[in-house]
Amino acid sequence: DMKVTQMPRYLIKRMGENVLLECGQDMSHETMYWYRQDPGLGLQLIYISYDVDSNSEGDIPKGYRVSRKKREHFSLILDSAKTNQTSVYFCASSPGPPSAETLYFGSGTRLTVL
Amino acid sequence: GDSVTQTEGPVTVSESESLIINCTYSATSIAYPNLFWYVRYPGEGLQLLLKVITAGQKGSSRGFEATYNKETTSFHLQKASVQESDSAVYYCALGDRDTNAYKVIFGKGTHLHVLP
Repeated sequence: DMKVTQMPRYLIKRMGENVLLECGQDMSHETMYWYRQDPGLGLQLIYISYDVDSNSEGDIPKGYRVSRKKREHFSLILDSAKTNQTSVYFCASSPGPPSAETLYFGSGTRLTVL
Repeated sequence: GDSVTQTEGPVTVSESESLIINCTYSATSIAYPNLFWYVRYPGEGLQLLLKVITAGQKGSSRGFEATYNKETTSFHLQKASVQESDSAVYYCALGDRDTNAYKVIFGKGTHLHVLP
């Protein structure tokens, strides 16, 4: 069963707290992504990972970092969360290097930073 | 930079009516980007609905169609007769190669409500 799993689905944190969003995929995909979506905006790429320990910044990396120690797991970390990081976060994966390939998405994590 | 503009939602139609969601794009790096429609059903992640990587071609899936028109830089999504189960958010997207890497740029999404 091809699946991208995100945990947790909903999360409420206070400003200044650390946040860990987890993502897993069971398809042995090389490439994984973190996006966020805010009301009235399209999905914005935060980070992309081409494989284990091979990560690159996306369009809006400030305030975030990522970790990929195993091919099937990709974590997004917010050190000292800010209220403007309230958003819906989507993890995705694709079989190989980004090209015309399909992205497979998780169901999203709705993060609220108070 | 690259951009995707699609119909502002929400869009409300009755079951069995026809549907068109407009999408136009601008790609700065390559002449013919890859074009996609993704759909997000309630409580689920985005999933690919259809994609077209060759200009002039048409993609289709689940009764939906979209034609890659390079003259008008458009990729409109159409369905002749919608069903209540088509209620979802639809995202147009393009894949383009920047100086360093390939990127997928998404539109804002169009929320479709189909009335029974």
